[in-house]
Amino acid sequence: DADVTQTPRNRITKTGKRIMLECSQTKGHDRMYWYRQDPGLGLRLIYYSFDVKDINKGEISDGYSVSRQAQAKFSLSLESAIPNQTALYFCATSDPREGARTDTQYFGPGTRLTVL
Amino acid sequence: ILNVEQSPQSLHVQEGDSTNFTCSFPSSNFYALHWYRWETAKSPEALFVMTLNGDEKKKGRISATLNTKEGYSYLYIKGSQPEDSATYLCAQETSGSRLTFGEGTQLTVNP
Repeated sequence: DADVTQTPRNRITKTGKRIMLECSQTKGHDRMYWYRQDPGLGLRLIYYSFDVKDINKGEISDGYSVSRQAQAKFSLSLESAIPNQTALYFCATSDPREGARTDTQYFGPGTRLTVL
Repeated sequence: ILNVEQSPQSLHVQEGDSTNFTCSFPSSNFYALHWYRWETAKSPEALFVMTLNGDEKKKGRISATLNTKEGYSYLYIKGSQPEDSATYLCAQETSGSRLTFGEGTQLTVNP
């Protein structure tokens, strides 16, 4: 079974609809992230959370909100979807080892969202 | 916001060819550089993380080097195979675990 799962994997919706993308992980990691990927652009950070009570905006948070319901769950919401939010969305987790300098992130399979 | 760039954007090679591509990043306040491999419809997977100038990492036929003074990293694939076809992403890590990704190099290896 995958350690980081995302639901749904594909979603088509209409402008103005509220959408929630869900991410669950069984890795026991404290840190979770949401990215979007657009053709020709790198993954861009939307929001991240270092523990259940911690939520931080990334570089492109406008139009999005998140909820960290538990250590294992991190949801991304689009309150009123618009066509330029059509993208591939990735969730990721990490858990830097004590004393480790770097922090490798582990990604889910992605959710392809189309807003008509 | 960091500016991480990768070149080329796409690359087609024949099976057996060796190839390499580049990631460039701001050299000031360098912390770490990650390489990921992303196959279509799958999750991006971590390949390497490098922190020191001159670092070299190797995994099978894939290797990477790091030059933090001039701000670039090379990824090399020796004897490319069709299963190497993927998008290769580099990302610069800042202290605080944030990653800034390049746009990726899409590699296609033709049998």
